[in-house]
Amino acid sequence: SQQGEEDPQALSIQEGENATMNCSYKTSINNLQWYRQNSGRGLVHLILIRSNEREKHSGRLRVTLDTSKKSSSLLITASRAADTASYFCATGQVNSGGSNYKLTFGKGTLLTVNP
Amino acid sequence: NAGVTQTPKFQVLKTGQSMTLQCAQDMNHEYMSWYRQDPGMGLRLIHYSVGAGITDQGEVPNGYNVSRSTTEDFPLRLLSAAPSQTSVYFCASSYSSAILYGYTFGSGTRLTVV
Repeated sequence: SQQGEEDPQALSIQEGENATMNCSYKTSINNLQWYRQNSGRGLVHLILIRSNEREKHSGRLRVTLDTSKKSSSLLITASRAADTASYFCATGQVNSGGSNYKLTFGKGTLLTVNP
Repeated sequence: NAGVTQTPKFQVLKTGQSMTLQCAQDMNHEYMSWYRQDPGMGLRLIHYSVGAGITDQGEVPNGYNVSRSTTEDFPLRLLSAAPSQTSVYFCASSYSSAILYGYTFGSGTRLTVV
């Protein structure tokens, strides 16, 4: 089963507004990442937050992580039409022996920013 | 610097045929993974590798084989194609300190099995 679940599944806002997407996961993680996918394209890495971090910023992006609630949020401020895309959270997990690592994705949030 | 290169970009197979999806990266990344993306399902992990000679199964490995003989290449083999394998396939790679870095994705292979 997939580790992460994004909420909402779809979000439509006006240009200039802020967009907030949430991600919940089930088991312990080493990091949580957010990716963007434009229609028909591959995924692009946006930001990574480690399990011992609570907040991280990159340009107009702000990510928070609450490991006690097993949840994360991605905030895009002052959105632009070019931000229209699907956004995925992904959880990175190292196995107990530290010899293996896998990245598991959620189903994504489709963000539409209307000009 | 080409990043992650996937070939072919499009492929149509008949049920029962076999084929190999190619993935190559030139960034000296140790970690590589294969995902499939289906509408409403997000990305699901098929197989992954943490280095040459080491592979492991993901969420949906049935019907697929992988091998990792070199750091650069991570081919995905469909043994006997089925319509349920119609999907978009993505290959991705990262450094071995992957807990600090994100993955770089290829542009995908769109596979249709008829």
